[in-house]
Amino acid sequence: EDQVTQSPEALRLQEGESSSLNCSYTVSGLRGLFWYRQDPGKGPEFLFTLYSAGEEKEKERLKATLTKKESFLHITAPKPEDSATYLCAVQAAGTYKYIFGTGTRLKVLA
Amino acid sequence: DGGITQSPKYLFRKEGQNVTLSCEQNLNHDAMYWYRQDPGQGLRLIYYSQIVNDFQKGDIAEGYSVSREKKESFPLTVTSAQKNPTAFYLCASSPTGNSGNTIYFGEGSWLTVV
Repeated sequence: EDQVTQSPEALRLQEGESSSLNCSYTVSGLRGLFWYRQDPGKGPEFLFTLYSAGEEKEKERLKATLTKKESFLHITAPKPEDSATYLCAVQAAGTYKYIFGTGTRLKVLA
Repeated sequence: DGGITQSPKYLFRKEGQNVTLSCEQNLNHDAMYWYRQDPGQGLRLIYYSQIVNDFQKGDIAEGYSVSREKKESFPLTVTSAQKNPTAFYLCASSPTGNSGNTIYFGEGSWLTVV
């Protein structure tokens, strides 16, 4: 069964304290892996799409990486405005459906 | 600006009523989706449509209905048969193609049963 698991469920960081969020996946064939940021009461905001193992993408303090079994979202020197829930999703081969993880709630303290 | 517009942002439903959530996109995407988000749970797929005049049930379609008469529009009706409709509803769209297609979301609609 196709599945996405995110860890940790929640993470508290001090401002400037770098860390990583994990997204482990099991799919029959990966068409794409997607990261989103979601603020309370709002829709998910697109961050990155990764297609194949070894691929990396960066945007400001965020860097996403992908292996054959998992993806990491690295947050370097986070700021309080980075506080949000980060969602991971995969699209499996042969389908137009997306499988979402339950997210990691990140809180960055000033 | 290109995007996905959901309305209304907040909606209250009385017992036994049907309500319709609107979703319009100007991204020229072929595929559109409706998800439900409950606290502590991942996004659950209600319905999806890959092309006009065609749609498929997702994982939790019971008590919901949709239509896709135009490429830009994918309204969701929450019927009285949906026993626990209070939730945050997200509309999304994506291109269709052979590689992974990024899915984009609207700002969501809150539905509360009163």
